[in-house]
Amino acid sequence: AQSVSQHNHHVILSEAASLELGCNYSYGGTVNLFWYVQYPGQHLQLLLKYFSGDPLVKGIKGFEAEFIKSKFSFNLRKPSVQWSDTAEYFCAVRANQAGTALIFGKGTTLSVSS
Amino acid sequence: NAGVTQTPKFQVLKTGQSMTLQCAQDMNHNSMYWYRQDPGMGLRLIYYSASEGTTDKGEVPNGYNVSRLNKREFSLRLESAAPSQTSVYFCASSDRGQGNYGYTFGSGTRLTVV
Repeated sequence: AQSVSQHNHHVILSEAASLELGCNYSYGGTVNLFWYVQYPGQHLQLLLKYFSGDPLVKGIKGFEAEFIKSKFSFNLRKPSVQWSDTAEYFCAVRANQAGTALIFGKGTTLSVSS
Repeated sequence: NAGVTQTPKFQVLKTGQSMTLQCAQDMNHNSMYWYRQDPGMGLRLIYYSASEGTTDKGEVPNGYNVSRLNKREFSLRLESAAPSQTSVYFCASSDRGQGNYGYTFGSGTRLTVV
């Protein structure tokens, strides 16, 4: 079974700082990878996803993530964060086969101060 | 608006009471899921239904039952609620037909068991 590990529980940044959130997964086969964001009091929204092709994927709101197969990693990045990026971020993985479900990491809380 | 609808949004139960959380989607998705979200634990999969007529256990199925009533509806039942089931419950749906297994989440049910 697949599992997901997010390295940082809580990250605190000032506006305009760069962001990188770590995510590693464990699964020997082909996977689909996702990053979701949850703003306070809201449900999850998809930031970006990777299925195949270019390992550098771009998502909404200036976020991007890089899939490094050899490291089983899918780190999320943003060059310059804004106060409005304050939220909880979840990495998720799904085995690329029928009948499987998304498995989530425990989440990283990002706090951005203005 | 098309999406995933969960009812109720809030519920308080006494230990030992039973209740059913309802979920319906109007996107003609094949697969549906129930997750619970707890602080510091991320989202954990309770049960899922890859297609109408099938259900499978996730990471934390104990104390829950599910019914895939039809393609649109997937309910989660707590037969005898326990304080450990205090959580926020999210229903989601997805469909391979989109070619990307995009997940759509409901707005959640906040359940408190006293």
